[in-house]
Amino acid sequence: AQSVAQPEDQVNVAEGNPLTVKCTYSVSGNPYLFWYVQYPNRGLQFLLKYITGDNLVKGSYGFEAEFNKSQTSFHLKKPSALVSDSALYFCAVRDLPDAGKSTFGDGTTLTVKP
Amino acid sequence: DAGVTQSPTHLIKTRGQQVTLRCSPKSGHDTVSWYQQALGQGPQFIFQYYEEEERQRGNFPDRFSGHQFPNYSSELNVNALLLGDSALYLCASGDSISGNTIYFGEGSWLTVV
Repeated sequence: AQSVAQPEDQVNVAEGNPLTVKCTYSVSGNPYLFWYVQYPNRGLQFLLKYITGDNLVKGSYGFEAEFNKSQTSFHLKKPSALVSDSALYFCAVRDLPDAGKSTFGDGTTLTVKP
Repeated sequence: DAGVTQSPTHLIKTRGQQVTLRCSPKSGHDTVSWYQQALGQGPQFIFQYYEEEERQRGNFPDRFSGHQFPNYSSELNVNALLLGDSALYLCASGDSISGNTIYFGEGSWLTVV
């Protein structure tokens, strides 16, 4: 079985400050980890993924995420937040490399204030 | 390069009716997965289609069925609709050979009254 926890329903940051959106996971095999962003009344947009290799992965719009195997975490980060980053963020995990079942967290609403 | 397209974007159905939702995958993709996203929740996996067969299934009743066509497009059918089926239905496509990333369409909003 696989599961994802996003412990914060809401994250508030000021524009220009660094942001972190937290994610922890549980999976039986090697984890395949993803972050997606969802704007109001829209589908999910892919931000970045960890498959193997460097623990720090870089993605779209200046976002990056750090994979920590010992803490089973995959936190999303950005050095300097923009108001336009305000959205709903989802972490997802799979235990197989192919495009099969992904398990998503319940999402974290990020609000960036000017 | 066309992304994942879904239709219709919005629809309203009555309890007990049946609904069909459609999805065209991103160009070059051959797998299609369907997810249900209820209000305030993350997407829940319904099933995945590859080579016109259902390959994986989530914890959804048999009222939920699907189909994949030779051109890789897909349909999601839901029979005997319940009020609790009201949700955003998302289609995601992937590449079985080189890709492990799935890309989502804009979704179909289903309201059951």
